[in-house]
This record gives sequence, C-alpha cells and structure tokens, in this order.
Amino acid sequence: KAGVTQTPRYLIKTRGQQVTLSCSPISGHRSVSWYQQTPGQGLQFLFEYFSETQRNKGNFPGRFSGRQFSNSRSEMNVSTLELGDSALYLCASSFSLSTNEKLFFGSGTQLSVL
Amino acid sequence: QQQVKQSPQSLIVQKGGISIINCAYENTAFDYFPWYQQFPGKGPALLIAIRPDVSEKKEGRFTISFNKSAKQFSLHIMDSQPGDSATYFCAASISAGGTSYGKLTFGQGTILTVHP
Repeated sequence: KAGVTQTPRYLIKTRGQQVTLSCSPISGHRSVSWYQQTPGQGLQFLFEYFSETQRNKGNFPGRFSGRQFSNSRSEMNVSTLELGDSALYLCASSFSLSTNEKLFFGSGTQLSVL
Repeated sequence: QQQVKQSPQSLIVQKGGISIINCAYENTAFDYFPWYQQFPGKGPALLIAIRPDVSEKKEGRFTISFNKSAKQFSLHIMDSQPGDSATYFCAASISAGGTSYGKLTFGQGTILTVHP
C-alpha cells in the first residue's frame, strides 16, 4: 500500500511568488492535514480537510490556503511568498476524523524562498 | 495557551541504555498524547500514544508514562539502539467530538543519539 505522496520534493521560489504543493493521501484515507516544520518553530498545524471541507485551521496568515478534491487529494497554496515561509511542509492523512486513527505523514516538500 | 514543552533538546545515550524524554502541557482539554519519531529526510511516524485514563502504556521497548495531575508525560526507550537515533516529538490534541484529531500541537523535538 503506497504511503502519503507529496510533490514536489524540493522547491525553490523567490519572494513575492506563489507556490502550490500537492499531497496524495493513502488510498482510502479521507482526512488530510498540513503542517509546517522549521528549525525555529518546530511543527505547526496549518489546516485539516475531511470530505473536501476544511475542518480546522491553524494560526497562519490568509496567504496560506488549501483545498481538498473529491478523490481526497489535497493542495496547499502560499501566495506572496516571504523569506520566513522557507520550511518543510508536511502532509498527513488518516482514514477518518476518528481519534482512534493513526496519522500517516509524507516525507514533505522542502520549500526554499530566496 | 495550547503549548507543549519538551525536554531535553538533545540527548546522547550509550547502546543498551535508557533514553528518557519529557513533555509538559498546559491545556487540560488535551486528551490524546502521541509520540512521533522522525528520521532525516522523512516525515514523522507515530511510535506510541496514550490517553489520560491510563498512567502507562508499553509497546516493545517504548513506554509512555503519564501524570495527569502534573500535566506531564514522558517517553522511555529501553535498551536504546543506534537505530533509535532520530528526532522525537511529543504532541497533544483535543479529541472532543472526534473533530480535532488532525490538529496536533507538537513539542519542539529531542534529537536522540545512541552511541554504539
């Protein structure tokens, strides 16, 4: 069974640009959440989607947005990139929102903003 | 404030020794406490998790101890091996109604190095 797939693996952008990251959850998983990982702030929750609906949102500016498609695949978008957006962006999936379900993380997209 | 504080930042242990990582939380509404292991270039992977209704949970060499009154929980790795060298994160979430499961609040992480 394939794991959580995130593309691209690495991305280099310049300030002011926008970027879209993609996440394909494990087959059958309907919940997808996104996290930002930086050396200084650690792992921070961005948002969570279930059945194409955003269920939770973290404390990030409106430049960070996401969506989920009917096949459970998810994308996140960051507009007007800032240097501080450089981070590893992790996607995680689970079968449902049940608290008995494990979260499975992808290997992430490493975004560098120059 | 939904914070989880983790210590130490780094830990060096000899092979066969016990690794202990501690976490403390503030929000008493937290009711799910997982530990994640992350290797370089990989995403975090769930190791073991506990709920506040038990004080200890053991899975193989990994044990979580939970102290609800002190709002603290810890990970013990028995017989530590070089292959355990990784970054460990504690986390917490609120599961009321089962709608917040994906929203984990993570500790800052502990870099564990196990020397052969």
